[in-house]
Amino acid sequence: QQQVKQSPQSLIVQKGGISIINCAYENTAFDYFPWYQQFPGKGPALLIAIRPDVSEKKEGRFTISFNKSAKQFSLHIMDSQPGDSATYFCAATFNFGNEKLTFGTGTRLTIIP
Amino acid sequence: DGGITQSPKYLFRKEGQNVTLSCEQNLNHDAMYWYRQDPGQGLRLIYYSQIVNDFQKGDIAEGYSVSREKKESFPLTVTSAQKNPTAFYLCASSRSVGTGELFFGEGSRLTVL
Repeated sequence: QQQVKQSPQSLIVQKGGISIINCAYENTAFDYFPWYQQFPGKGPALLIAIRPDVSEKKEGRFTISFNKSAKQFSLHIMDSQPGDSATYFCAATFNFGNEKLTFGTGTRLTIIP
Repeated sequence: DGGITQSPKYLFRKEGQNVTLSCEQNLNHDAMYWYRQDPGQGLRLIYYSQIVNDFQKGDIAEGYSVSREKKESFPLTVTSAQKNPTAFYLCASSRSVGTGELFFGEGSRLTVL
C-alpha cells in the first residue's frame, strides 16, 4: 500500500524530444507528489511537485500530469536537453505532507545529441 | 552558503568494522533523515529525527544506529551487524517531517572490502 512504482528504469531520448516517466501508487491517502532530480555524484533535489486537486502543473519545460482515478502521475520533459540527463525519482506522501516520503525506484534518463 | 555537509565522500572498511558517517546542516531545519541508495531500489529510509534527542526507525534500520545530540548534526553508524553495507548513503533535512521538500547532501559512498 505504501509503494510507488516507477517506470521505465532507464530511458534514452534524442535532444529536442519529449521524455516521459511514469509512476503509479496504491495508497489513496497520498496527497502530495514531488519529483526529485539527481545528477551523478550528487544528492537529489526537488524539481517539481503536485497536489491531487489539480491535473497538471507546469514549470518551464517540466510538467507533471496527474490522474487521480487511475492513481498515476507522470513527468514530461519537453524539448529535452543533454543537461537534463540525470536520475529522476517520483515520490508520494500523505496528510498534506506531514508524513515521510515514499520514493519510486528511479529512472535514469540520458539525452543524446 | 546554507546546506547539508556529508563526510567522508568515500569510505572503505573491512568486514566486521563499525563506521560512522557524518552529516551536518546549517539550514536550521528540525527534521533530518538518512537514506540508502542502491541501483534499481531507489531511496530507502534508514532513520529519521524530528527533534533533538529523538529519532525513529525507517524501513531498513537493522544494522544501523544514529544519534541526534545537536540540531545541526545527525551521524549514522553502520555496524558490523549490517549484512550488506556497501551502498551510497544520503543525508537530508527538512523544516519538519513531511514538508515534502527534502534538502540532500552529496552523499557518502561506503565500500566494504
